[in-house]
Amino acid sequence: GQQLNQSPQSMFIQEGEDVSMNCTSSSIFNTWLWYKQEPGEGPVLLIALYKAGELTSNGRLTAQFGITRKDSFLNISASIPSDVGIYFCAGKPTSGTYKYIFGTGTRLKVLA
Amino acid sequence: NAGVTQTPKFQVLKTGQSMTLQCAQDMNHNSMYWYRQDPGMGLRLIYYSASEGTTDKGEVPNGYNVSRLNKREFSLRLESAAPSQTSVYFCASSETQNTEAFFGQGTRLTVV
Repeated sequence: GQQLNQSPQSMFIQEGEDVSMNCTSSSIFNTWLWYKQEPGEGPVLLIALYKAGELTSNGRLTAQFGITRKDSFLNISASIPSDVGIYFCAGKPTSGTYKYIFGTGTRLKVLA
Repeated sequence: NAGVTQTPKFQVLKTGQSMTLQCAQDMNHNSMYWYRQDPGMGLRLIYYSASEGTTDKGEVPNGYNVSRLNKREFSLRLESAAPSQTSVYFCASSETQNTEAFFGQGTRLTVV
């Protein structure tokens, strides 16, 4: 089946640092989503991307839909302790399936 | 601000027991989904319902059944629980199959 490679798997950073993570796929996607999940909670949508090359911000978060349509990037600027959590990408292939495919997540820990 | 509501939040079953996980959304969404989340594997789609009256298998449907009771409700049934079904289950909904999904808070199921 189709797979998403999400990297890095985990990150330990100092408060105030910027964070970058990405997802790549083996096929072309027409939608990319980024979610954050905190312990004991469901994933919460951060950013949705629908067009190749699209760059969208949500506060300190910025995500981009790669121009090849096979990748997406999420950046967090000036990290704070509440950024801790697991970040998931999800993509929707162009093959006609109605299913979103999820990456395995990037676990972020912020050291104060 | 209910969004997607799942019940129960926690459940322990003995091998062979059956149970139904309930999910309801109040956003008038057409599409609904059931995912399971296991450590290191991200979210995997069990079943989905693109619209009221339709259901389709996802990536890992074996051992599960679903019912789209009406537009609001989408239930997941385990007929004979197995330890391999120990997981966290998430229900999600989206306005259409092409738009972003919103998640419930999850049901943590343990099968002993």
